[in-house]
Amino acid sequence: DIQMTQSPSFLSASVGDRVTINCKASQNINRYLNWYQQKLGEAPELLIYNANSLQTGTPSRFSGSGSGTDFTLTISSLQPEDVATYFCLQHNSWPRTFGAGTKLEL
Amino acid sequence: EVQLVESGGGLVQPGRSMKLSCAASGFTFSNYGVAWVRQAPTKGLEWVATISYDGRSIYYRDSVKGRFTISRDNAKSTLFLQMNSLRSEDTATYYCTREGTQLRGIDYWGQGVMVTVSS
Repeated sequence: DIQMTQSPSFLSASVGDRVTINCKASQNINRYLNWYQQKLGEAPELLIYNANSLQTGTPSRFSGSGSGTDFTLTISSLQPEDVATYFCLQHNSWPRTFGAGTKLEL
Repeated sequence: EVQLVESGGGLVQPGRSMKLSCAASGFTFSNYGVAWVRQAPTKGLEWVATISYDGRSIYYRDSVKGRFTISRDNAKSTLFLQMNSLRSEDTATYYCTREGTQLRGIDYWGQGVMVTVSS
């Protein structure tokens, strides 16, 4: 199975900060990497697919980068509504595996 | 608008069975793979199973193989998860999800249904 190591587990930042979250795959997953946002008590929502493609409706302050084994989600200017837990998912191979999540707080 | 609405959850004793359903709308169900993903209380996300658009390809995580069965009814735009021999570690919110194109992966989620396995 491909292991997805996500860091940090917890992140505290201020409005306007630039925030980065990382996911490292245990083997090459090409660009088959998605990022999801999950707000408290809600279902996850797709933010970014194919490592760097924004899902329709995702604010432009979100961006993704990386390929192979190392990936990054960046929020260029943190907003209050960005408080959530963020997960990465590899869909290069079976079983699909998620990162453990990053809880982002203000 | 893509909608995925799960039903069938609740409290069940260890060793018993439960069947989840997911009613899909807002897209042509028969054109997409669909999957179940679960999340134990206060834990992360865990992929459970995927079924291809035509039902011919099915994948399971190891811990549910032989106990869970994923299936679909394209005529009724409905996804199912039959769960047998349930264990306490199966306690989770189960999400119905849509698999988009190969590049998109899981792109839409239902609101989830809670399954609690306890005596």
